[in-house]
Amino acid sequence: GAGVSQSPSNKVTEKGKDVELRCDPISGHTALYWYRQSLGQGLEFLIYFQGNSAPDKSGLPSDRFSAERTGGSVSTLTIQRTQQEDSAVYLCASSMGGLRETQYFGPGTRLLVL
Amino acid sequence: GNSVTQMEGPVTLSEEAFLTINCTYTATGYPSLFWYVQYPGEGLQLLLKATKADDKGSNKGFEATYRKETTSFHLEKGSVQVSDSAVYFCALTSRDGNNRLAFGKGNQVVVIP
Repeated sequence: GAGVSQSPSNKVTEKGKDVELRCDPISGHTALYWYRQSLGQGLEFLIYFQGNSAPDKSGLPSDRFSAERTGGSVSTLTIQRTQQEDSAVYLCASSMGGLRETQYFGPGTRLLVL
Repeated sequence: GNSVTQMEGPVTLSEEAFLTINCTYTATGYPSLFWYVQYPGEGLQLLLKATKADDKGSNKGFEATYRKETTSFHLEKGSVQVSDSAVYFCALTSRDGNNRLAFGKGNQVVVIP
């Protein structure tokens, strides 16, 4: 496809369960970002992958959050032992990787933790 | 650190009215500036951008000028339509920020027929 895709679109889980969110970036984009959009905090940066470099994890809110990017393409964001405050829309974006390149966003995964 | 400030509160206006949404920023170095738009039920889309001082970004009748002296990037449209109803986010990236986007809180714009 032409754009960034994310799955699932919606995820409802129980507190304490683990969840995995997937992102397929635009083909050829070397940079991939995860953001979180919540009512209280607005849009927050979570993690950044650029090529084969070590990821910038400085935005991850706790050690329950982790992400990986396999083969320089698809990325998975994992939240372990989910809490109600993790409820948010998780957005993935990709770009060509240059410092001033535009980031293109996927439709997001809406996570609800009961 | 890098930060973006948008004017508080939703904006409600009539069709064909003039729209301004204020955006100011704090950043080290020379950031790139963006306006993203989120239409109801849709994802974030880039509306326009400017990468250096005095640049003007424009798209779909919207404009914003990168003002380094006032650290601002205000969004304007001369005549809004109902279809412009959306949430608008001002954002920046900078070399020091590892190209991550720092967003403002967003402004809900409602255009009434």
